[in-house]
Amino acid sequence: GAVVSQHPSRVICKSGTSVKIECRSLDFQATTMFWYRQFPKQSLMLMATSNEGSKATYEQGVEKDKFLINHASLTLSTLTVTSAHPEDSSFYICSARDILPDRGPSYEQYFGPGTRLTVT
Amino acid sequence: AQSVTQLDSHVSVSEGTPVLLRCNYSSSYSPSLFWYVQHPNKGLQLLLKYTSAATLVKGINGFEAEFKKSETSFHLTKPSAHMSDAAEYFCVVTFPNFGNEKLTFGTGTRLTIIP
Repeated sequence: GAVVSQHPSRVICKSGTSVKIECRSLDFQATTMFWYRQFPKQSLMLMATSNEGSKATYEQGVEKDKFLINHASLTLSTLTVTSAHPEDSSFYICSARDILPDRGPSYEQYFGPGTRLTVT
Repeated sequence: AQSVTQLDSHVSVSEGTPVLLRCNYSSSYSPSLFWYVQHPNKGLQLLLKYTSAATLVKGINGFEAEFKKSETSFHLTKPSAHMSDAAEYFCVVTFPNFGNEKLTFGTGTRLTIIP
């Protein structure tokens, strides 16, 4: 259980175009999903917290208008990189938080397999 | 504020020998701590977690970690390394924050297994 998928796994786009990345919780409902960015050989940096039915909360330094996040349902969050540039090339990973209603939040996050974005 | 420090960016061990990946944390509150593993170009997989229950936590694939509050440490160990253990390992900390919990990642330790 607790599987998170991402689509696409790999995408190449031209500079100036927009790219949408989907994150789905396959066998559980996730009111909260997270988007991370990982540069080569570096750790994960939290970009934003996505809450179902409300606006995403962005971390300091992350451009809201460039990285559009939509969490329209309890199983789907999308990240759209608008007007992509080569510096946006990175590995984007989403996660969904596991909430155990009987025991309160466990704080564990289930991670998707990641999406490698290359902007040419 | 919370933070986590992974003391070694790269660890190499021979196959069949013990593994020790070190992690120290800083948190104003009782933390929850995790170890995740990431294989090349893959997402993260949870190895184990500590959430204020038993201080010695056993995880998957023979890994375990011990929470030591006095030392603010949560080191990851395995008695005998296997070639398939070669990967990047992240120590992660979080703490209760009324539904606004965020994970703070360490910088990662790359584990290399020597045949």
